Amino acid sequence: EIVLTQSPATLSLSPGERATLSCRASQSVSSYLAWYQQKPGQAPRLLIYDASNRATGIPARFSGSGSGTDFTLTISSLEPEDFAVYYCQQRSNWPPEYTFGQGTKLEIK
Amino acid sequence: QLQLQESGPGLVKPSETLSLTCTVSGGSISSSSYYWGWIRQPPGKGLEWIGSIYYSGSTYYNPSLKSRVTISVDTSKNQFSLKLSSVTAADTAVYYCARGPKAGTPLDYWGQGTLVTVSS
Repeated sequence: EIVLTQSPATLSLSPGERATLSCRASQSVSSYLAWYQQKPGQAPRLLIYDASNRATGIPARFSGSGSGTDFTLTISSLEPEDFAVYYCQQRSNWPPEYTFGQGTKLEIK
Repeated sequence: QLQLQESGPGLVKPSETLSLTCTVSGGSISSSSYYWGWIRQPPGKGLEWIGSIYYSGSTYYNPSLKSRVTISVDTSKNQFSLKLSSVTAADTAVYYCARGPKAGTPLDYWGQGTLVTVSS
């Protein structure tokens, strides 16, 4: 089973600052990694798939990078609506099993 | 626009079976391109994948829950369902249904989620 470890657990920043969130896999997942944003009372929203591809309608300030075991989600300049919890996720090729990281809470400083 | 909607009881007694249905609209559950899955989130905690199903009926379960989970599909109603047996308070969570491309990593469409509380 692949374990995803996110860091930090909590990130305190101000609007306009740059946010860098990390996700590390216990073994290589190639580029098969996704990122989600979740706000209170809402379902997760897909931001990034295949490590670096923005999902439909996602602003350009969100970017993803990495491959193998180390991945990064970057928000170039934080908007007030970006403060939320972020999860990374991978899917094994076969059988198709999904795992999530434990999440990073991005809070207003 | 694809939409998924969970439905089912919001309260289940300990030791009983939790049953939820996900209704898909704006697209066909019989597409050969997607898996349809269940994910849950205990209050204040992270996301846990429960299992997925293909339109043909092939199922894939989280090994940690496999002994208690059954997922089924009804293509005539464009629905898929979750049954979780022998529930305890630890199964209290928001339950989401979602779609995942067969050839891809992510879960690209999600239902709004439904809170299921296990309590007597």
